[in-house]
Amino acid sequence: EAQVTQNPRYLITVTGKKLTVTCSQNMNHEYMSWYRQDPGLGLRQIYYSMNVEVTDKGDVPEGYKVSRKEKRNFPLILESPSPNQTSLYFCASSLSGRVVDTQYFGPGTRLTVL
Amino acid sequence: GDSVTQMEGPVTLSEEAFLTINCTYTATGYPSLFWYVQYPGEGLQLLLKATKADDKGSNKGFEATYRKETTSFHLEKGSVQVSDSAVYFCALLRGNYQLIWGAGTKLIIKP
Repeated sequence: EAQVTQNPRYLITVTGKKLTVTCSQNMNHEYMSWYRQDPGLGLRQIYYSMNVEVTDKGDVPEGYKVSRKEKRNFPLILESPSPNQTSLYFCASSLSGRVVDTQYFGPGTRLTVL
Repeated sequence: GDSVTQMEGPVTLSEEAFLTINCTYTATGYPSLFWYVQYPGEGLQLLLKATKADDKGSNKGFEATYRKETTSFHLEKGSVQVSDSAVYFCALLRGNYQLIWGAGTKLIIKP
């Protein structure tokens, strides 16, 4: 089954404790992206990757890191989480990221930073 | 800069009612426009899209027409069902790779 998986689905952590949210897709997609979803703000893009070893900042990259060492995986790293990073995070992938390509979303990771 | 504005929710309707969710945008040129749906506990799914002015996107009984005169892309459905209860997001494409999203509109359908 074609899918985007994220782990963990729920995470409660404390300020400053480094964490990684994993994202994996099994569709051989070139393009992957991370979003955060906050009430009243919709989705905002954090980082995206157009292929292995090619990443770029989205609209809200501060406080986050990403890497794309393999085509299927695109982990999101919070080196020193802060309470304002409490949010619902979605990973997405598409064949090439171009205009007409549909993005497939993972189920989301709800992060709480205390 | 580019932006998308959606009507605030929640929108509460009875089953079989007519649905309209408003979406307007601000952008340079004529970007592609999308509607995504998020069912409870799930990720977003593409519902429909339109890539140029006057195009009509449709899927699962939902429709939206790209109106460049009014910079709008309103979502409509003639007869909603309880299973349509979800959050609906309007979005526009900036450049080739970035989507700009509206805040989302929660739809509640009562039997």
